[in-house]
Amino acid sequence: SQKIEQNSEALNIQEGKTATLTCNYTNYSPAYLQWYRQDPGRGPVFLLLIRENEKEKRKERLKVTFDTTLKQSLFHITASQPADSATYLCALDLYNQGGKLIFGQGTELSVKP
Amino acid sequence: GAVVSQHPSWVICKSGTSVKIECRSLDFQATTMFWYRQFPKQSLMLMATSNEGSKATYEQGVEKDKFLINHASLTLSTLTVTSAHPEDSSFYICSARATGGVGNQPQHFGDGTRLSIL
Repeated sequence: SQKIEQNSEALNIQEGKTATLTCNYTNYSPAYLQWYRQDPGRGPVFLLLIRENEKEKRKERLKVTFDTTLKQSLFHITASQPADSATYLCALDLYNQGGKLIFGQGTELSVKP
Repeated sequence: GAVVSQHPSWVICKSGTSVKIECRSLDFQATTMFWYRQFPKQSLMLMATSNEGSKATYEQGVEKDKFLINHASLTLSTLTVTSAHPEDSSFYICSARATGGVGNQPQHFGDGTRLSIL
């Protein structure tokens, strides 16, 4: 069966540390993988997109890796801050699906001061 | 840029009422918009894909007669929950993709509509 799973429902880290979130999928062949941030009661906000032929993408303190052999993406936030606390969602963008996204269940990140 | 406005943000109504939710792309044109539903502590579940000028494509298990979608222009899609019942209570979120982009474009989300049916 097709699945997309994020490593844990909740992740607690200390301010200044690097947060690493995992997204694994099975029986999908995504063309792209996207990461979004969602705050309580709000819609998701786009963070990063990585293509299947890209290994890594960076944006300021954010880094995403994409391993199509392992069927896994890692999302890193370096020098984390309490303001980074939110739920982070990974999403698969499949070929020939009209652009629709398949979302993981999300990981709730809490950064403690 | 790429702002999506969703209205209303919060609705409480009686069982049997029909509720319309609007989704507008404010500074870009969107041939395709998407409607999601999200329950507490769960991820977004795609309900339907809304295409400007044509019928919406519904995901398996979503009743098209219950959730009416109209995408009359490149900047507006509406979702009407007909004869709503308590089990329809949820957080409904729309998103839009800029015209001309598919996989290499992110989706831009509205801030959702919290629907509570009494």
